[in-house]
Order: sequence, then C-alpha cells, then structure tokens
Amino acid sequence: GESVGLHLPTLSVQEGDNSIINCAYSNSASDYFIWYKQESGKGPQFIIDIRSNMDKRQGQRVTVLLNKTVKHLSLQIAATQPGDSAVYFCAETISGGYNKLIFGAGTRLAVHP
Amino acid sequence: DTGVSQDPRHKITKRGQNVTFRCDPISEHNRLYWYRQTLGQGPEFLTYFQNEAQLEKSRLLSDRFSAERPKGSFSTLEIQRTEQGDSAMYLCASSPDRGRGTGELFFGEGSRLTVL
Repeated sequence: GESVGLHLPTLSVQEGDNSIINCAYSNSASDYFIWYKQESGKGPQFIIDIRSNMDKRQGQRVTVLLNKTVKHLSLQIAATQPGDSAVYFCAETISGGYNKLIFGAGTRLAVHP
Repeated sequence: DTGVSQDPRHKITKRGQNVTFRCDPISEHNRLYWYRQTLGQGPEFLTYFQNEAQLEKSRLLSDRFSAERPKGSFSTLEIQRTEQGDSAMYLCASSPDRGRGTGELFFGEGSRLTVL
C-alpha cells in the first residue's frame, strides 16, 4: 500500500552541525506533510508542517523542504543541540475532513558533544 | 498541566485478560484520536472521534478493540482477550476543529501495554 518512509534509521551528528533528515512518500494525492519529534518516553510533538502548494517553510532553527516531483520531504535542523536528540517522524495526511496522519517509521537523531 | 493525559502509563497483563485505557484530551479540543505504536515504528492510526461520534476505525482495530467517548470529553480504549501481539504503546491525541490540513495533533505520553 501507499506509505511514508524514511531513508536513514539513525543519524549521528556533532553538536553545532546542521542535520538533515529525509523522508519519501508514495501517495501523490497527499497534500499536507508534518514533522514530529518524539523523545524517549514521551508522545510525538509537532515541529513544523508544509502544504503541497509550498516548496519550503522555515521555523525556528528548522526548515522543511518538499519536492513533489520526486515525492521527497526533508527536515533541516540548524546548529543541532543535544536537546534535539530524539526520533523524528514525517507524516502525511490522506484525503478526508480531519487529520488522519500516516506516519513513517522514524529516524533517530543522536547529537554528540 | 493542561495537555493530553493518559492513564495508566504502564499496564502489564496476562494473555486473555481485558484492559482499558483512558484519555483526557485538552479541554477545548473536540477531535480525539487513538494511535498504536510498536517499538521502532511510527504511530499507526486506530480510530477518530469528532465530539462523541466515532467517525472512523482502522482495520487494525479488530473486534476485540472498542473505543468510546460518551460525552465528547474523555475517551476509553478497551482491549478484550488480550494477545501478545497487542503489546504496544497506545497513544491518544486531540486537536481543535480547525478543518482539514492543520495537522498539529497534541499527543499524550501514551499507555504502554505489555501482554505476558
């Protein structure tokens, strides 16, 4: 079936470096994408979202890029900090009147001092 | 703290027993969702409530699973005759009714179920 997936299960970076987490989706009808962060023992926390009519959206230290041609989504974290260590999920909405999110498997980000 | 709260946080049970989880959403949120998450995987959608109406159930939600939201506030998820495959984190989330395309779900910390 159609699903959201991630290229790399684990990403290790040095504190202060930039991080890039990638995600591929297969449902061409998906029109809204969201990144969530999940720390150990906690529920997922919303980071940033992007609609399909946009290519890029920036937040505080985070940027999401959407390439609809190749169905690819990425999350860039600038100046990665130890507090960024977590599992990151991309999610997509399928058609419908509410937010039924389809999550990918996640990428673990490990930030080393 | 006025976030989504779930109870219990951990539940260990023997196969065949029934378990019930409770979720208290953020008070002004009329949308409530249940997800299931197994180790190393992303959350999987189980069911959705708009106020007290259960509007969608995933095929993952077998006949042994039932969810309710009787007064449009808190919700319960009951699993009957638990199986080892039911072991997972059960996540509840809520959101306000802002229409389609606003994906911020507010998740609770989850109820972890271990079936022995």
